[in-house]
Amino acid sequence: DQQVKQNSPSLSVQEGRISILNCDYTNSMFDYFLWYKKYPAEGPTFLISISSIKDKNEDGRFTVFLNKSAKHLSLHIVPSQPGDSAVYFCAAPGGNEKLTFGTGTRLTIIP
Amino acid sequence: DVKVTQSSRYLVKRTGEKVFLECVQDMDHENMFWYRQDPGLGLRLIYFSYDVKMKEKGDIPEGYSVSREKKERFSLILESASTNQTSMYLCASGKQGAGENSPLHFGNGTRLTVT
Repeated sequence: DQQVKQNSPSLSVQEGRISILNCDYTNSMFDYFLWYKKYPAEGPTFLISISSIKDKNEDGRFTVFLNKSAKHLSLHIVPSQPGDSAVYFCAAPGGNEKLTFGTGTRLTIIP
Repeated sequence: DVKVTQSSRYLVKRTGEKVFLECVQDMDHENMFWYRQDPGLGLRLIYFSYDVKMKEKGDIPEGYSVSREKKERFSLILESASTNQTSMYLCASGKQGAGENSPLHFGNGTRLTVT
């Protein structure tokens, strides 16, 4: 049973436009959510997080929105840049301080 | 900056071989994890450890074991490698009890091919 789901395997966005990556979850008890970014041949790196008591968290070009009633979160990148091309994973604490990850969305920014 | 170092970037092994993947972290983190990444399946947790000599099974432990003799080192062992263990293996470490404010730090991964 996958507790964190990313239903879009890939997304292409024009440079300068907004990228929106989506994530759904099933466990309403998650305390927080995180987004990681992964380049090929590198490990994932932490991007941004949001507590379950908030509905928005912003860090520069990156904003994460949380809709608890819909059990949905989204990552907005604006404006999108070529260096944003990567695989993005959403994650939630799966209990005992381990993280459960989604399947990832490959974002391609078109120059 | 936290550094998580995986000893090999690429490994090619034969079916049936015993394989050791090594991971070292330099931030005195209590928690360490082994994940594998496969296309369409994301990151799946194999094993994790909260302390020296402690280990817990993750979601896909079959065919693997782990060893944590020192706090900074966490080894993943494939007892008898099989072709379905061909994958990217990622080690991570994290501070205990940190939650959203201190997320996991990953190594650069070991791409293992079993032929």
